[in-house]
This record gives sequence, C-alpha cells and structure tokens, in this order.
Amino acid sequence: DVKVTQSSRYLVKRTGEKVFLECVQDMDHENMFWYRQDPGLGLRLIYFSYDVKMKEKGDIPEGYSVSREKKERFSLILESASTNQTSMYLCASSLRDGTDTQYFGPGTRLTVL
Amino acid sequence: AQKVTQAQTEISVVEKEDVTLDCVYETRDTTYYLFWYKQPPSGELVFLIRRNSFDEQNEISGRYSWNFQKSTSSFNFTITASQVVDSAVYFCALSEAQKDTGRRALTFGSGTRLQVQP
Repeated sequence: DVKVTQSSRYLVKRTGEKVFLECVQDMDHENMFWYRQDPGLGLRLIYFSYDVKMKEKGDIPEGYSVSREKKERFSLILESASTNQTSMYLCASSLRDGTDTQYFGPGTRLTVL
Repeated sequence: AQKVTQAQTEISVVEKEDVTLDCVYETRDTTYYLFWYKQPPSGELVFLIRRNSFDEQNEISGRYSWNFQKSTSSFNFTITASQVVDSAVYFCALSEAQKDTGRRALTFGSGTRLQVQP
C-alpha cells in the first residue's frame, strides 16, 4: 500500500513565522503535490514536483515555496505565515505512469493566529 | 468557468436509501481521467475509482457504481443501500494537461458532504 505521511496533523503558528510542512512517501513515486483545502472551495493546487529539485506552480502559489531535495520528501514552506493561510494542507504523490492517480496523506490543519 | 462542478453541497439520507452524487466536468482534452475520492471525518482522501476518457462502460464495485457519460460530460456516483460508514465528503476530480506546461494535474470539484442517518 502507498503510504504518504505528513509531519503534523495539527499546527498552530503566529503571524510572520516561517512554517515548514513536511511530506514523505514510501512508494518511489516521481510526482508529489501540495494542496490546500478550504470549505466550499475543494482542493486547490499550490505547487507540484515531477522530479527531485524540480517544482512547478499550481493555481495558488503566492505566499508559498517548496523544496524537493530527495525523491521521497516534498516540503511546503510558508515564508511569513498570515492568517489567510489558515487551512487544511494535503500532500499527495503519484507514479509517472500516465494514470495520474494521486494518493494522499492525512493532512495538516494549520492555524495562523 | 469551473472545470469540475459538484452542484450538491450537502445530501442527507436515511440508512439503506440509494443516493447519487453528481459530477459535471469541462475539458478540451481528448485524453483525460476522471476520479472519485472519499474524505471521511479523519481527513485523509481515499481513492475510489479512475476512469479514462475512452472507456464509457459503467462500473460497479459492491454497493458503489459509477455512470460516465461523455455526451453530457458527467461522471455520477451512486451508493446503493447507504450505510452510516458512507458518511463523508466525496470529491470528483479531472486530470488533464496544463495549458502552459503540458504537465498533468488534478482539478477537484468543491465536494459533496453526504450524511447517512441511522
């Protein structure tokens, strides 16, 4: 079974702090994704990565950056957290096999005060 | 324009009722995939099914069935004899090539919350 883990289930930070959200997958997937989920908006893609050290912007990259130094790990960085970044953050991974099936981690609920 | 529309925000049924969750999509690709995911209260999205754009056969898996109709751009999901454990948010998603990069990514609908009452 595919296993995607995220470093924290719940996180509380203060405005202006630098925040790191970590995601690790154990199935040798090439592709990794970060989404945020907000009520009524579904999941929105922040960034994705198709290879180590590669990254591409999704639909809402503003205020975020990412890092992928190893194939299994994809980090989402909030350089200076703001209250409008309070959300559920979901990480996913997929194989580069043309089927596009993504497998998700349990999510991190981030609150920025 | 929204690419994946789930018009039903919330549905409430009584156990053993059948329920259909609607999904309408929009794409210019001829090759694409459609997905359904389930998000139980624990929060993790669980993959349920993938269909490719060339396969319009309906699919049944136990109490779950899916009806894919290209003519109406719909991919509806039916739960037969619903159970309390089916209570969750269900997301429909579309995979297509991104306009700028050609990379493939998923676009999700806003989700339908299903409440199954005992």
